[in-house]
Amino acid sequence: GQSLEQPSEVTAVEGAIVQINCTYQTSGFYGLSWYQQHDGGAPTFLSYNGLDGLEETGRFSSFLSRSDSYGYLLLQELQMKDSASYFCAVRATRDSSYKLIFGSGTRLLVRP
Amino acid sequence: AAGVIQSPRHLIKEKRETATLKCYPIPRHDTVYWYQQGPGQDPQFLISFYEKMQSDKGSIPDRFSAQQFSDYHSELNMSSLELGDSALYFCASSSLTSTYEQYFGPGTRLTVT
Repeated sequence: GQSLEQPSEVTAVEGAIVQINCTYQTSGFYGLSWYQQHDGGAPTFLSYNGLDGLEETGRFSSFLSRSDSYGYLLLQELQMKDSASYFCAVRATRDSSYKLIFGSGTRLLVRP
Repeated sequence: AAGVIQSPRHLIKEKRETATLKCYPIPRHDTVYWYQQGPGQDPQFLISFYEKMQSDKGSIPDRFSAQQFSDYHSELNMSSLELGDSALYFCASSSLTSTYEQYFGPGTRLTVT
């Protein structure tokens, strides 16, 4: 089976740093993506890790450890507009499957 | 930059009616995906197309069908609608070499009454 686990909710203060974890169990693995979704909006691609290590994109960084089936999204210098749901997503196989399997999402609330 | 276009944005149908959702992918993207998202839930993969051929199938009911046309736009056809079909339906597109980076359209909100 395929499963991805994320915390359901995280609250942080404006200007702080927050880490959203994702553990996965999939039959085959070909990278971990992160998407942001504001209420009523569409998911927006944030970051991708195909190999172990850290990827940095501005205030957002994402990390992957394939041996631990674990990744995280790190958001720095939090802003109020970062309040949204964050989904990790796995593409399970390289060749025959083009779908993404999404985690259940982490709702981030940034407080002033 | 051009984004994924979906129409209509909102649709209200009655039970047992049919609905057709349209998706126009980003130019030069060769892969299209359909997702269903219920309130407070994660997007659930329905079906995908690569170069106008079905490439993968997820939890799509038999009452639903989809196709991709020669101009790469895609349509999701839904028949015998049920109350439980009320959801946001997203179309996304990507290039085959970057399927981890999917660009989502604004979605169609379907309400079945």
